[in-house]
Amino acid sequence: GNSVTQMEGPVTLSEEAFLTINCTYTATGYPSLFWYVQYPGEGLQLLLKATKADDKGSNKGFEATYRKETTSFHLEKGSVQVSDSAVYFCALSDRDGNNRKLIWGLGTSLAVNP
Amino acid sequence: NAGVMQNPRHLVRRRGQEARLRCSPVKGHSHVYWYRQLPEEGLKFMVYLQKENIIDESGMPKERFSAEFPKEGPSILRIQQVVRGDSAAYFCASSPRVGDPTDTQYFGPGTRLTVL
Repeated sequence: GNSVTQMEGPVTLSEEAFLTINCTYTATGYPSLFWYVQYPGEGLQLLLKATKADDKGSNKGFEATYRKETTSFHLEKGSVQVSDSAVYFCALSDRDGNNRKLIWGLGTSLAVNP
Repeated sequence: NAGVMQNPRHLVRRRGQEARLRCSPVKGHSHVYWYRQLPEEGLKFMVYLQKENIIDESGMPKERFSAEFPKEGPSILRIQQVVRGDSAAYFCASSPRVGDPTDTQYFGPGTRLTVL
């Protein structure tokens, strides 16, 4: 079945460091890909998405490119801030008829120190 | 516009009691998904509903769990005779319509269930 593999955390960085969180997937067909963020004690917020190969999603300085050839959707940010400390989830939309259920990675915890 | 609303935010139950979790989707959204996040684990799909219909409940335990999305009112996830292993965060998400090309789901803040 479809699955998402996400790099394990926790990741600890200093402010202004470069961030990469790896995400690879296995899927039949052409799923949409997502990054969600969960701040401490809060729910899930959509960070960015891409719906087809070579699409780049971007938001708040974060970027991820849908790479079909490597089945990857790595999250990057050039300069992290303390406020980026959160758990980041990679997910794909498992298209089964009209069902768009999301298949999730395990999440990567990011801590950014001042 | 109001986003997805979930209540209660925190729910404490003793073993054997019932837990009832409510989800009001974004206005105009007719598709609701429930996910469960167990401690130290990722999210797992539980059930997908459209108004008055359960479309896919393949992720929901066969016993004690049920879900509904009536024509009027919120979607309800019901857990009967709760056990400690049911302690988790339960998230509801909604999406606009069939064929939405972005497949985007909008999440509520979650209900954190603690079973004593």
